[in-house]
Amino acid sequence: SQQGEEDPQALSIQEGENATMNCSYKTSINNLQWYRQNSGRGLVHLILIRSNEREKHSGRLRVTLDTSKKSSSLLITASRAADTASYFCATERGYNFNKFYFGSGTKLNVKP
Amino acid sequence: GEEVAQTPKHLVRGEGQKAKLYCAPIKGHSYVFWYQQVLKNEFKFLISFQNENVFDETGMPKERFSAKCLPNSPCSLEIQATKLEDSAVYFCASSQPRDAYSNQPQHFGDGTRLSIL
Repeated sequence: SQQGEEDPQALSIQEGENATMNCSYKTSINNLQWYRQNSGRGLVHLILIRSNEREKHSGRLRVTLDTSKKSSSLLITASRAADTASYFCATERGYNFNKFYFGSGTKLNVKP
Repeated sequence: GEEVAQTPKHLVRGEGQKAKLYCAPIKGHSYVFWYQQVLKNEFKFLISFQNENVFDETGMPKERFSAKCLPNSPCSLEIQATKLEDSAVYFCASSQPRDAYSNQPQHFGDGTRLSIL
């Protein structure tokens, strides 16, 4: 991929369970962002974490960033059927802050 | 408008024909980006604009792809002499003025599905 990989590629859980997705990247970054894509739609911005931050929360979302391992994780707590979507991480690096590098995405299926 | 508007939603072309896609960014957003998504996988960056000026075109295939963002007109992405491999969903995104510190997110349209037969 242009920047990195996400795992798992697909994840199926029951409503109410937590979902964890991981993203790895290859070079140093300015920030890392997570996006959601519902079927047939564009990307919706979820949360941004800067390179000097280690953890960030937004509602049921928790993002961690480990720059030493060049990896990030997205945790969705108490999942709902409406969380069913594909989730992508995107990074900005160096001075090229207007160009996103996307991971390959994790397809999450939350069963009611 | 408050959303990035892309037209058409679906475009079908025979191999070798021209395809032209349009994008109206959110009002007040001065940056526009084009991405290509193949088979629902990763998003490949194509080109970005700052107002009507090309900001970064390192992702654009040199020969057949071109793009413009002219004042008071939707932005456009044009593919000449289309090939089967051009079949993909093309997404446009826009953002507010940004630098290394403002960390503005990109707002995406719903994409144009291009099918080359």
